[in-house]
Amino acid sequence: DADVTQTPRNRITKTGKRIMLECSQTKGHDRMYWYRQDPGLGLRLIYYSFDVKDINKGEISDGYSVSRQAQAKFSLSLESAIPNQTALYFCATSDPGTAGGYTFGSGTRLTVV
Amino acid sequence: AQSVTQLGSHVSVSEGALVLLRCNYSSSVPPYLFWYVQYPNQGLQLLLKYTSAATLVKGINGFEAEFKKSETSFHLTKPSAHMSDAAEYFCAVRLSGSARQLTFGSGTQLTVLP
Repeated sequence: DADVTQTPRNRITKTGKRIMLECSQTKGHDRMYWYRQDPGLGLRLIYYSFDVKDINKGEISDGYSVSRQAQAKFSLSLESAIPNQTALYFCATSDPGTAGGYTFGSGTRLTVV
Repeated sequence: AQSVTQLGSHVSVSEGALVLLRCNYSSSVPPYLFWYVQYPNQGLQLLLKYTSAATLVKGINGFEAEFKKSETSFHLTKPSAHMSDAAEYFCAVRLSGSARQLTFGSGTQLTVLP
């Protein structure tokens, strides 16, 4: 099993629908992140969580919400999807060491029509 | 504040030629620097990282990068490109001693020509 698992892998949804993207990890890391990737823009941080009780907004949190159900689970919701939220979404966890990089999931490709 | 600039959104090299992908950073304190690679339809994989130890960092698949504080650069190189190196590469920066959010560059798509 992958260290960081994202579901679904692909999703097409209609404008105005609510959708949830899920992420679970077996790394035992406290810190989890949601990024979106758009061509030519790299990855931009949506939300991050340092532990179950600590949720923080990233640079592009408008239109998104998150839930940290447990140390291992971090979900991203689009309350009312719009076409410009069409993107590739990545969940990541960070190494507990002070200099660690991130471990990424395989991504969820979301299309809003 | 921290930021990363990757020069060249697309780079093409011939198989066997030198690969050079450029990354410049801006950081108010000593940074940690990373290079990630993304193969088609996959997530990001860590290639290498600089964490204030040796300035020349060796990573996986024959890649290396050199931290140059005077030039605020962390360019990625590989002496001889292989077809399997074709992918998108991202440079990222994180402030040392702070919360661990990574800031990514916009990415460089590497094409390897036969």
